[in-house]
Amino acid sequence: DAKTTQPPSMDCAEGRAANLPCNHSTISGNEYVYWYRQIHSQGPQYIIHGLKNNETNEMASLIITEDRKSSTLILPHATLRDTAVYYCIAVGFGQNFVFGPGTRLSVLP
Amino acid sequence: DTEVTQTPKHLVMGMTNKKSLKCEQHMGHRAMYWYKQKAKKPPELMFVYSYEKLSINESVPSRFSPECPNSSLLNLHLHALQPEDSALYLCASRIGQGASFRNTEAFFGQGTRLTVV
Repeated sequence: DAKTTQPPSMDCAEGRAANLPCNHSTISGNEYVYWYRQIHSQGPQYIIHGLKNNETNEMASLIITEDRKSSTLILPHATLRDTAVYYCIAVGFGQNFVFGPGTRLSVLP
Repeated sequence: DTEVTQTPKHLVMGMTNKKSLKCEQHMGHRAMYWYKQKAKKPPELMFVYSYEKLSINESVPSRFSPECPNSSLLNLHLHALQPEDSALYLCASRIGQGASFRNTEAFFGQGTRLTVV
């Protein structure tokens, strides 16, 4: 599995966009980038995933750089309920979801 | 139904007890997983089942014994645990395991919080 690196923590003002970066400079061509989040004491929740193209769903947008060495998860209008640990995971052929330390996002009122 | 159901939600057990954790999904997923999560740490993969067969054991001590009796059900049998085994145990499922399924997400349950006394 490609190793991903994320900042340990970030703050975001409520109502503003939260932009969470992920570095995956050793990602291989077959590996998808997945994002999950975990709200305190709950199970991880799937957010979005992508391979090369930018993706958007009802929760978030995923921007992947052209060289695929990094990506950004965007929560367009963060709310207090978005406070969580966000995990960026690279998953390829036959690989499993291996979690790194993630980014602890605090949405502030 | 995109739900993975874990029971019980909380479990307290003594070091000489035998107990089991249960995980169920009805999404037709053929890959199922157990993770262990200590406080303030990310989930750690323990076991992977693919088509009801154990495919990965991440060097987990034998006091943890997984079982997959059918495609919908995954158990984790616990015996002679230590206090350091206290953690949140998470189950997950995915439509399949392998190259064809790398574009599919895993669904996680809410976990069983285990305390060993």
